[in-house]
Amino acid sequence: EIVMTQSPATLSVSPGERATLSCRASQSISHRLAWYQQKPGQAPRLLIYSTSTRATGIPARFSGSGSGTEFTLTISSLQSEDSAVYYCQQYNNWPLITFGQGTRLEIK
Amino acid sequence: VQLGQSGAEVKQPGASVKVSCRISGYTVTELSLHWVRQAPGKGPEWLGGFDPEDGERIYTEKFQGRVTMTEDASTDTAYMDLSGLRSEDTAVYYCVSPLPEDGAFEIWGQGTLVTVSS
Repeated sequence: EIVMTQSPATLSVSPGERATLSCRASQSISHRLAWYQQKPGQAPRLLIYSTSTRATGIPARFSGSGSGTEFTLTISSLQSEDSAVYYCQQYNNWPLITFGQGTRLEIK
Repeated sequence: VQLGQSGAEVKQPGASVKVSCRISGYTVTELSLHWVRQAPGKGPEWLGGFDPEDGERIYTEKFQGRVTMTEDASTDTAYMDLSGLRSEDTAVYYCVSPLPEDGAFEIWGQGTLVTVSS
């Protein structure tokens, strides 16, 4: 099983600033990585797939990068509604999919 | 595509639960549905789903023998049956549909809370 490790566990950033979330895979997953945003009481929402492609309707302030085992989700110009838990997911070993444990993003 | 799930369930340890997922906008045969669960305060966990390359369902090893996923084409409804319930199975269960030609989960049902308690 490919283990996904996210850091930090919690991140606190001021509105208008940039947030950088990290995700590391226990082995190479090429570019097959997705990011999700989850707010309390809601299902996760797909933000980014194939490392850097934004899903339909996702604002341009969300961007993804990386390859192999190291990946980053960057949220520029943070807004209050960006407060959520963010998860990464690998699907290189499709359909044996695994998720990270999440990063909680707090807006100061 | 919209995925509409059945309501919350409370089960005793050792019992089984069957969660349904009604599809609208597509037929069940057009989608390769998967199931994901999320225990309280934890990250999502993939249970299994349909692999269109093989034409078969595949389950994560952890749930082999306890989980069964089926579809009813006449009602465009998918089902996830989990047996031998234990307290650690308490979670929200989601049906999900991946992007075409990609493994990321684009569409999620609203989730079904399954509580296992004596």
